[in-house]
Amino acid sequence: EAEVAQSPRYKITEKSQAVAFWCDPISGHATLYWYRQILGQGPELLVQFQDESVVDDSQLPKDRFSAERLKGVDSTLKIQPAELGDSAMYLCASSIDPVFGELFFGEGSRLTVL
Amino acid sequence: DQQVKQNSPSLSVQEGRISILNCDYTNSMFDYFLWYKKYPAEGPTFLISISSIKDKNEDGRFTVFLNKSAKHLSLHIVPSQPGDSAVYFCAASDNTGNQFYFGTGTSLTVIP
Repeated sequence: EAEVAQSPRYKITEKSQAVAFWCDPISGHATLYWYRQILGQGPELLVQFQDESVVDDSQLPKDRFSAERLKGVDSTLKIQPAELGDSAMYLCASSIDPVFGELFFGEGSRLTVL
Repeated sequence: DQQVKQNSPSLSVQEGRISILNCDYTNSMFDYFLWYKKYPAEGPTFLISISSIKDKNEDGRFTVFLNKSAKHLSLHIVPSQPGDSAVYFCAASDNTGNQFYFGTGTSLTVIP
């Protein structure tokens, strides 16, 4: 069964360091999402791509976060510099239909900032 | 502003009984709703969806009910099994291809 691949599964870093997360969506899924889930809360959208274009990055803290999907396939989410409050699960999801398609999530990348 | 709300953070149910998880939303433009199940240290897994043209959708032990006038949906699991113990999230979107908004989740424990 096709899956959304994410790496790394776990990342521990110190405050002010740079971190990067990678996501490879299900083949053929044009829509890719990065969500952040803080413990005890629901996932919150950071950025949504349609192919290589950003559709919505209104909730992405652009002073420290960046995301790209250069060839419209895999994607990278970067944080620089990391802050204590960035500790969370970073979830990547993809969808074949951005309107009525279900989201398929990867296993997530758990970030701990010390 | 939380547009999708799950007011019960936790629920415990005996095995074999019905589990009912509730979700409320505030945006009347939402017309597509999904339920996800999440185990610890894993990503959410899609369970079942419903569009606003329906008021019920059933898939095996899982049934989702939508009450548009009340802006309320619920997920029924019958019969509940210990393997159903997980956090359940509801999510909603409008028909413009914009983001899905997630609730804060309800942690279900099914007691053997």
